[in-house]
Amino acid sequence: QEQLVQSGAEVKKPGASVKVSCKASGYPLTTYYIHWLRHAPGQGLEWMGVINPSGGATVHAPEFQGRMTMTRDTSTSTVYMELSSLRSADTAVYYCARAPTVVRIESYFDSWGQGTLVTVSS
Amino acid sequence: DIQMTQSPSSLSASVGDRVTITCRANQGIGNYLAWYQQKPGKAPKSLIFDATNLQSGVPSKFSGSGSGTAFTLTISSLQPEDFATYYCQQYSNYPITFGQGTRLEIK
Repeated sequence: QEQLVQSGAEVKKPGASVKVSCKASGYPLTTYYIHWLRHAPGQGLEWMGVINPSGGATVHAPEFQGRMTMTRDTSTSTVYMELSSLRSADTAVYYCARAPTVVRIESYFDSWGQGTLVTVSS
Repeated sequence: DIQMTQSPSSLSASVGDRVTITCRANQGIGNYLAWYQQKPGKAPKSLIFDATNLQSGVPSKFSGSGSGTAFTLTISSLQPEDFATYYCQQYSNYPITFGQGTRLEIK
């Protein structure tokens, strides 16, 4: 069964960093791009960026450039998203999602992780 | 960025009803449009891609139409499990953007 499984909930203080993992199973990680999105309370879904697990290349949404790092470990079929300089507005559920294509970075998502709640509070 | 606008923002319907949700883009996106269903505390679930294609495993009661700037999601014969929030998403241009969501509630 193809699935993405994310790490557990996190509570962080303003200014700190958070690193969320997303482990792929049931298919080779390097086959498809993995995207990161978030859903803040009362807000819509927001696309953050994408990583090509095969070579490690990344593309970020403009608002996350310089503050978000996406990496991967092919030996464990896991991708990571680290967000730094956290503020209260970063409180959200963070999702990894698989794009069923490697032709272009813009894609829909056919499989999602279960979500990771990140709470930023002093 | 391409702005996606869904209407209505909320909708009340009864079991057995047929409902239609509209999504408009502020510029042409071809058929690069997806629809998702999200239930409370769960991740979004893919329903439709490329505007009209049903995701594998999704019942045929869900259908999508449209191209360019105007799209619709139709759900026929509503069942209790269909009451959720629905989102459209464009993947024509970087950055990927979503509509604000349509909450489908039981009347």
